[in-house]
Amino acid sequence: AQKVTQAQTEISVVEKEDVTLDCVYETRDTTYYLFWYKQPPSGELVFLIRRNSFDEQNEISGRYSWNFQKSTSSFNFTITASQVVDSAVYFCALSAPGSGANSKLTFGKGITLSVRP
Amino acid sequence: DAGVIQSPRHEVTEMGQEVTLRCKPISGHNSLFWYRQTMMRGLELLIYFNNNVPIDDSGMPEDRFSAKMPNASFSTLKIQPSEPRDSAVYFCASSLEGFAGNTIYFGEGSWLTVV
Repeated sequence: AQKVTQAQTEISVVEKEDVTLDCVYETRDTTYYLFWYKQPPSGELVFLIRRNSFDEQNEISGRYSWNFQKSTSSFNFTITASQVVDSAVYFCALSAPGSGANSKLTFGKGITLSVRP
Repeated sequence: DAGVIQSPRHEVTEMGQEVTLRCKPISGHNSLFWYRQTMMRGLELLIYFNNNVPIDDSGMPEDRFSAKMPNASFSTLKIQPSEPRDSAVYFCASSLEGFAGNTIYFGEGSWLTVV
């Protein structure tokens, strides 16, 4: 079975602070894919990044960076110099061939990030 | 490029009424998903189509829920009769293939309230 745990439920920071959102996953598959999605107050789900299990390189995109560590089954997301527009719910998700439906995403519960001016 | 298009965006209906949610996937995508989001259960997969064929409907809560995909560019999720506990955000999503690594793109959601 697949499982994604986002232990943090709510995080509040002041603008320009750095913030890290944690994600821990469980799967028995050796090939799997990890995702982060953002859900702003308007409600839509916005794709941020996809990572496959064979690529442990960290990734940076502007103020966003992701740290994938298979040894700890973690795929953490860091926002540098946070801005008010970063306020949203952030979901980590896992997809693996063994999940039955090939592309089925198993989501974590989400982390509500509030960035105060 | 147009993303996944859902309608209606918001629906308020009375208990017992039929509700139909509609979805147009991204052109060229042949996998389509219906997800439901609630405070209690988070995001859960209801049903998944590949090439218009339902592959996994194990997440459909009960017989009151049904989904169809008559062609590659249209899908419906129907609830009949609706109940207050069906109140949720229903997301349609699509991806290129039924492959675990493909990115799933979501629509803006249909916010359903059953009173």
